[in-house]
Amino acid sequence: DAGVTQSPTHLIKTRGQQVTLRCSPKSGHDTVSWYQQALGQGPQFIFQYYEEEERQRGNFPDRFSGHQFPNYSSELNVNALLLGDSALYLCASSFFRDPVYEQYFGPGTRLTVT
Amino acid sequence: QKEVEQDPGPLSVPEGAIVSLNCTYSNSAFQYFMWYRQYSRKGPELLMYTYSSGNKEDGRFTAQVDKSSKYISLFIRDSQPSDSATYLCAMVLYSSASKIIFGSGTRLSIRP
Repeated sequence: DAGVTQSPTHLIKTRGQQVTLRCSPKSGHDTVSWYQQALGQGPQFIFQYYEEEERQRGNFPDRFSGHQFPNYSSELNVNALLLGDSALYLCASSFFRDPVYEQYFGPGTRLTVT
Repeated sequence: QKEVEQDPGPLSVPEGAIVSLNCTYSNSAFQYFMWYRQYSRKGPELLMYTYSSGNKEDGRFTAQVDKSSKYISLFIRDSQPSDSATYLCAMVLYSSASKIIFGSGTRLSIRP
């Protein structure tokens, strides 16, 4: 059973450009969350998608947007890239195992903005 | 002030030692507490979660929560070189919440 997969592994973009990152959740998981992890920091919650809708959002600007497809896979889009957007972007898929959501993380996409 | 504070380390101990990793938090509304392990160039991996004050044990790992002090700990017994990783504490406000608040992580190195 494949775990959470993300593509691409690494990406280099120029300031002002746009980027799309992709995530396939673990089999049987219908909820996808995205996190940004800066070097030496813990992951920060960007947003979560369930049933193709954004269900919850963290403190990130509108430049960060996402989408979930009927097969539960998801995309993260970032517009007008800034140098500060350089980070590891993690996707996590989850299911509810009483009493908590168990989240499983992918390996991440390393984004470098120059 | 950050919601979750965690000493970044690095922490280096000899193989076989007992390791203690700690976090403090400021929001008393946090109800569920987790520990993740993150190897270099990998995503975080859930180790344990707990939701009540007290201890929870799983093999060589023990998670401890003290809600009155807003303090959580992870103990690793008989530490192995394969335990070398960054350990992240994390918490959520209520059981059905999916937004996880992470600490900044403690980098742990176990010396053979």
